[in-house]
Amino acid sequence: QSALTQPPSVSGSPGQSVSISCTGTSSDVGGHSRVSWLQQTPGTAPKLLISEVTKRPSGVPDRFSGSKSGSTASLTISGLQAEDEADYYCLSFTNRNTWLFGGGTKVTVL
Amino acid sequence: EVQLVESGGGLVQPGGSLRLSCAGSDFNFRNYWMHWVRQVPGKGLEWVSRTDPAGTVTDYADSVKGRFIVSKDNVKSTMYLQMNSLRAEDWAVYSCTRVLDGLAGHFDLWGRGTLVTVSS
Repeated sequence: QSALTQPPSVSGSPGQSVSISCTGTSSDVGGHSRVSWLQQTPGTAPKLLISEVTKRPSGVPDRFSGSKSGSTASLTISGLQAEDEADYYCLSFTNRNTWLFGGGTKVTVL
Repeated sequence: EVQLVESGGGLVQPGGSLRLSCAGSDFNFRNYWMHWVRQVPGKGLEWVSRTDPAGTVTDYADSVKGRFIVSKDNVKSTMYLQMNSLRAEDWAVYSCTRVLDGLAGHFDLWGRGTLVTVSS
């Protein structure tokens, strides 16, 4: 299976909002609500930001939010901060009982 | 400390085999789905495999199906990945992560990974 489609990079100034899209098909993103988002900074393990499209674990700032429309899920960072500079990955369950990552998006804070 | 620690990585020739381990500490291992994820240094994440809390259900990415076998020992709180017929493209850092049964996609704990290099 091909990776879910994410933009390679997005950027924004501190305080701005940025959104990262994650496009799949009806066999994955569009087929259910099992979409997660992870954040990874260089040299560290991924950190869970969002699960089940919109659920934010305790400890994750509320400036991170998730949504989905059809076969495209989105992660929005509201009020961008310098510490948000990182790589972001979406991850979706599929109808083959597997999980599928997006290609990753590098967020740069200008 | 609640943690996952991978081990068993190393250098192996193409066509060779390697067994990775993922040891869990300070949590009830038997309540969790366990997954393997790999990452070529500097590249993106790739989901590899998973097993259910009991270790009886297993699923694999197409890229490793038929070559890799995942297993889980709840007594030892350890998951394994038996990697056979290794190819150059299997070179990556292999990490494990957990998901509490019933919390779909809640990958809340990750190990630091173990590097697998496939080269002659």
